[in-house]
Amino acid sequence: ETGVTQSPTHLIKTRGQQVTLRCSSQSGHNTVSWYQQALGQGPQFIFQYYREEENGRGNFPPRFSGLQFPNYSSELNVNALELDDSALYLCASTRPGNTIYFGEGSWLTVV
Amino acid sequence: AQSVTQLGSHVSVSEGALVLLRCNYSSSVPPYLFWYVQYPNQGLQLLLKYTSAATLVKGINGFEAEFKKSETSFHLTKPSAHMSDAAEYFCAVSDRGANNLFFGTGTRLTVIP
Repeated sequence: ETGVTQSPTHLIKTRGQQVTLRCSSQSGHNTVSWYQQALGQGPQFIFQYYREEENGRGNFPPRFSGLQFPNYSSELNVNALELDDSALYLCASTRPGNTIYFGEGSWLTVV
Repeated sequence: AQSVTQLGSHVSVSEGALVLLRCNYSSSVPPYLFWYVQYPNQGLQLLLKYTSAATLVKGINGFEAEFKKSETSFHLTKPSAHMSDAAEYFCAVSDRGANNLFFGTGTRLTVIP
């Protein structure tokens, strides 16, 4: 049990649509990161939020955006979905200097 | 910049045999190193991590890894494989103080009865 909860667990969207994925972290975990894991690949860092501000970004276009809220929850938003966005999206949270905990992930299929 | 190379995308061992999964890292600063396991249709579970204390790190489920700076390696081992060890294993590296991880492409471990 990591204390990181993601929703929804599975969803299917149509190309061009928008999607919002949600993550709930443990109290005190003020750093949250999102990763994309394509089938057969390792997770790729999308971005990180610290105290509700973006604090680092990987090689992903601006249509990937996020929010972090004071209650330790966060969102990943993806606009103008493309077929290649089909992947497992993982949320990870931590307190500074501590272990990074991952959620179970949200499986997104774009058709 | 950090990166990780996992040698061997698939490894098969017999039940009871030694498990050795290889990981080499590249980092411009002293790294933190991690091994995660992923079971089918699940998220990532931390097996062990190296954060500059002892170079031999013991983790859960009988796994351990040794940090070798001279070889830039962090190989994962387990003396005796169990059927329940069958999963995907990911090595990852981060900057000290950073909270984002750079993952390898993973090694799928199959355990043969």
